[in-house]
Amino acid sequence: DQQVKQNSPSLSVQEGRISILNCDYTNSMFDYFLWYKKYPAEGPTFLISISSIKDKNEDGRFTVFLNKSAKHLSLHIVPSQPGDSAVYFCAADSGAGSYQLTFGKGTKLSVIP
Amino acid sequence: GAGVSQSPRYKVAKRGQDVALRCDPISGHVSLFWYQQALGQGPEFLTYFQNEAQLDKSGLPSDRFFAERPEGSVSTLKIQRTQQEDSAVYLCASSLVTGSGNTIYFGEGSWLTVV
Repeated sequence: DQQVKQNSPSLSVQEGRISILNCDYTNSMFDYFLWYKKYPAEGPTFLISISSIKDKNEDGRFTVFLNKSAKHLSLHIVPSQPGDSAVYFCAADSGAGSYQLTFGKGTKLSVIP
Repeated sequence: GAGVSQSPRYKVAKRGQDVALRCDPISGHVSLFWYQQALGQGPEFLTYFQNEAQLDKSGLPSDRFFAERPEGSVSTLKIQRTQQEDSAVYLCASSLVTGSGNTIYFGEGSWLTVV
């Protein structure tokens, strides 16, 4: 029973275009969401996060959108660059002093030059 | 150090062998976590320490797995009598404190292959 789902295992985007990575969750107790980026043979690196009291958070080329009613979040990367090619993991926690992150299976993004 | 450091980076163990995986968290970080990542999956929570106290070990898959952090800094994850299903990347992570909004920083992982 996956509580965090990333239904697209892979995504290819042309350099300069927008990349949109999607994530759905089922646990209504989740109230903080994070995106991690992972290169091969490296650990996940924190990218951007959003609290459930917000519907958007922006950091440079990266924007995360949260739709609580749909239990859906998305990561937008614009413009996409070849160095963005990596596996992106969506993760969630239930706040209130929690510490366990629940991860999706990841989406492999390939940005084509 | 600047980041979370794990060793060994790669370990091949024969089935039945015991292994020990070490984690050096970021200096001053109170919280330490171990996650297991199987091929094609996202990381899955194993256990959590706050300083030297192991507050949650609910994710440990069997009693062959145990972790310790005796002085509230370095942690060791030990797997006894390894099985093929233990093959995975073991990720250590740390954060300054616990709770939402506190970024969790991951190490590069220890890649365990049981043959």
